[in-house]
Amino acid sequence: GENVEQHPSTLSVQEGDSAVIKCTYSDSASNYFPWYKQELGKGPQLIIDIRSNVGEKKDQRIAVTLNKTAKHFSLHITETQPEDSAVYFCAAMRRLTGGGNKLTFGTGTQLKVEL
Amino acid sequence: DAGVIQSPRHEVTEMGQEVTLRCKPISGHDYLFWYRQTMMRGLELLIYFNNNVPIDDSGMPEDRFSAKMPNASFSTLKIQPSEPRDSAVYFCASSPDRGQGYEQYFGPGTRLTVT
Repeated sequence: GENVEQHPSTLSVQEGDSAVIKCTYSDSASNYFPWYKQELGKGPQLIIDIRSNVGEKKDQRIAVTLNKTAKHFSLHITETQPEDSAVYFCAAMRRLTGGGNKLTFGTGTQLKVEL
Repeated sequence: DAGVIQSPRHEVTEMGQEVTLRCKPISGHDYLFWYRQTMMRGLELLIYFNNNVPIDDSGMPEDRFSAKMPNASFSTLKIQPSEPRDSAVYFCASSPDRGQGYEQYFGPGTRLTVT
């Protein structure tokens, strides 16, 4: 099955700095890579995603890159703000034979943006 | 749209009791997922449905766990009998079917405590 590794587990940055979170996956059949933000007491919220036919995607201060050959993808947050503080999860999804999808999550990164 | 709705938000019960968690997916979504989140194991997929039919229940930990989806707007996850190790946050998520990849939208979760 798929295995997704995520690093670092905790990340502390100063407000205005950039934050980078990295993930690797094992199954070359995975073709969809979403990132989720989870605030305390809430469910994970999709913030950006990338498909395997794209190398990079950007949405305002958030960008994601994908290297299919190396099987790794990264989340980049620029100009961080205190409200970016949360736990971030990467995930990898692949289609299953006969239909259906399987989403495997990384272990999460606790991001803290300090004033 | 109100998003994915889960109830109750918190549940405290004694070991051996039956627990039923409820979920209303986003209208029009074909897929419904049940996840469990713990510090030790992270986010784990328990079971998912496509058009009300269970597709993959390989993540259901034991026969004590069961899930149903009687119609497109309602699903339940039942634990009978409950045990302290079932304490976790249980999330329901739903998704439309868009070919090679699709977004999953999570509910706010049910925090279950079994004493």
